[in-house]
Amino acid sequence: AQSVTQLDSQVPVFEEAPVELRCNYSSSVSVYLFWYVQYPNQGLQLLLKYLSGSTLVESINGFEAEFNKSQTSFHLRKPSVHISDTAEYFCAVSGKGSQGNLIFGKGTKLSVKP
Amino acid sequence: GAGVSQSPRYKVAKRGQDVALRCDPISGHVSLFWYQQALGQGPEFLTYFQNEAQLDKSGLPSDRFFAERPEGSVSTLKIQRTQQEDSAVYLCASSLGGLAVDTQYFGPGTRLTVL
Repeated sequence: AQSVTQLDSQVPVFEEAPVELRCNYSSSVSVYLFWYVQYPNQGLQLLLKYLSGSTLVESINGFEAEFNKSQTSFHLRKPSVHISDTAEYFCAVSGKGSQGNLIFGKGTKLSVKP
Repeated sequence: GAGVSQSPRYKVAKRGQDVALRCDPISGHVSLFWYQQALGQGPEFLTYFQNEAQLDKSGLPSDRFFAERPEGSVSTLKIQRTQQEDSAVYLCASSLGGLAVDTQYFGPGTRLTVL
């Protein structure tokens, strides 16, 4: 079985400041890791995912996440946020070899203020 | 192209009524998932289809919940004798293949409120 913990339910930051959204997971099997984003009044969208290889993965809009196996973490970072990054961010895992059903954390609401 | 669509977007039901929620996945997508998202929580897995076969229904909370995908495309989630604890957003997602590495594309969800 797997579980995902997102320690921060809300993260307020000012525009152009750096941000880190934390994600830790627990699993008895190897997993794939995902970050999904939900903008206001929209559906969940994949932001980035770690499958294998380089532990640092990047999205097209400047976010990055690093897989740390020893700490069972997959924290999401951005060096300089924009107002448009305001959204809810969900960390998720799926077991390798599974059918792909995702186990989600409770989400972190990122609020970027001018 | 069209994404995953769900209907209705909002549904209000009186306790005890039956409801049916529809999901239209992306054309050609083999896999279809249903998730339930309660207020303030992350989505939780309900059931999984590969084409028309329901391969996993371990997440369905009770035998009042039933899902089908008879022709391997459109899927319906039915909830019988709705209860207040069924109030949630129901999300549908589809993916191209049947592998855990495949990206899941989510619909906008159906918000169910049971009075």
